[in-house]
Amino acid sequence: KNEVEQSPQNLTAQEGEFITINCSYSVGISALHWLQQHPGGGIVSLFMLSSGKKKHGRLIATINIQEKHSSLHITASHPRDSAVYICAVRYGGATNKLIFGTGTLLAVQP
Amino acid sequence: NAGVMQNPRHLVRRRGQEARLRCSPMKGHSHVYWYRQLPEEGLKFMVYLQKENIIDESGMPKERFSAEFPKEGPSILRIQQVVRGDSAAYFCASSPPRGTVNEQFFGPGTRLTVL
Repeated sequence: KNEVEQSPQNLTAQEGEFITINCSYSVGISALHWLQQHPGGGIVSLFMLSSGKKKHGRLIATINIQEKHSSLHITASHPRDSAVYICAVRYGGATNKLIFGTGTLLAVQP
Repeated sequence: NAGVMQNPRHLVRRRGQEARLRCSPMKGHSHVYWYRQLPEEGLKFMVYLQKENIIDESGMPKERFSAEFPKEGPSILRIQQVVRGDSAAYFCASSPPRGTVNEQFFGPGTRLTVL
């Protein structure tokens, strides 16, 4: 079982729809990251969260530390949002390494 | 302020050759991380370095792989005697010194193809 679970693995939406991607992890963490990767492309950091909620444009990320769960929401989705969205967690201690989920492939159709 | 830079962006090697991947962190960042993304798989941690020190190499294969981050110059990930299974995208990330915001910023990646 992966330490970081994402759902769904694949998601197809129509332009304008509200999208939610979920991430669950198994042990306590110091921070959670949401990343975006376009096919064959680089990785862009969208959010880093340790509690609560963050918003940037049409993107909203929330985290519930007690339930070990985070969600990424995209409002008014657009075809340019089509990408792989990856959740990654960082544990405390000496290492800053990230443990990644398997990603959610999002396709937004016009 | 330039972002994390990696070169080359694409690298082709024949089996048995050496591959050297370079990563220049963002200005002011003293921590570097290497991650590998195998085809059709997720990202996996390889190694975490500070200047002249390896902090965590728990994700590095035991043989043929090494990493360094010298006092001057970029971080280098070195793969000796490459095999086809080393074909992957290798991403570098950097972050500021501990005690500040520890967000990691990723480079564009080096895509290694082993023929």
